[in-house]
Amino acid sequence: TQLLEQSPQFLSIQEGENLTVYCNSSSVFSSLQWYRQEPGEGPVLLVTVVTGGEVKKLKRLTFQFGDARKDSSLHITAAQPGDTGLYLCAGAKRNNYQLIWGAGTKLIIKP
Amino acid sequence: KAGVTQTPRYLIKTRGQQVTLSCSPISGHRSVSWYQQTPGQGLQFLFEYFSETQRNKGNFPGRFSGRQFSNSRSEMNVSTLELGDSALYLCASSFTGDNSPLHFGNGTRLTVT
Repeated sequence: TQLLEQSPQFLSIQEGENLTVYCNSSSVFSSLQWYRQEPGEGPVLLVTVVTGGEVKKLKRLTFQFGDARKDSSLHITAAQPGDTGLYLCAGAKRNNYQLIWGAGTKLIIKP
Repeated sequence: KAGVTQTPRYLIKTRGQQVTLSCSPISGHRSVSWYQQTPGQGLQFLFEYFSETQRNKGNFPGRFSGRQFSNSRSEMNVSTLELGDSALYLCASSFTGDNSPLHFGNGTRLTVT
């Protein structure tokens, strides 16, 4: 059962454009993590959001946790070819050691 | 600080064989998780070990097993390999598990022919 829906599944845009990736669920999470995975490598943690409504910025990347802690978004401003990769969101529930993973968004930024 | 190390990086096996993959976590990390990643199914959780005990298990058949040693290093074993077992197997470590951020290795690419 896919409890975290990521959209879009695939996105190919030109350098300099803006984009938003969504991670949605009907479940409440205690926190949500975003990872980026580049070809041939394992996922790397970008950010963890914990509080409903929380906004975190990482250079040109802005992460937001929904007020109800059921959804999250990742917005990239002026995308660069170095942003290319697979973006994964993972939700955590209290007293559960297993993260719930989204299927990922494959992002390609063309120069 | 050394990252998570997985060996081997690539492996080619024949149907029916068995395989053992190895994972050395970041020093001080006591939790090790294993994942299977395929283009069609995404990241699927296999199991998690903490202090040599399997604490959580995903929905995989008994052919998939693992263990953790006293130095936190972990191995996973797949017996009677099937074509569908071809995938990238990722290991991740964290201090305590319980949803703390994961540090992934670069994976072992297993191809079953």
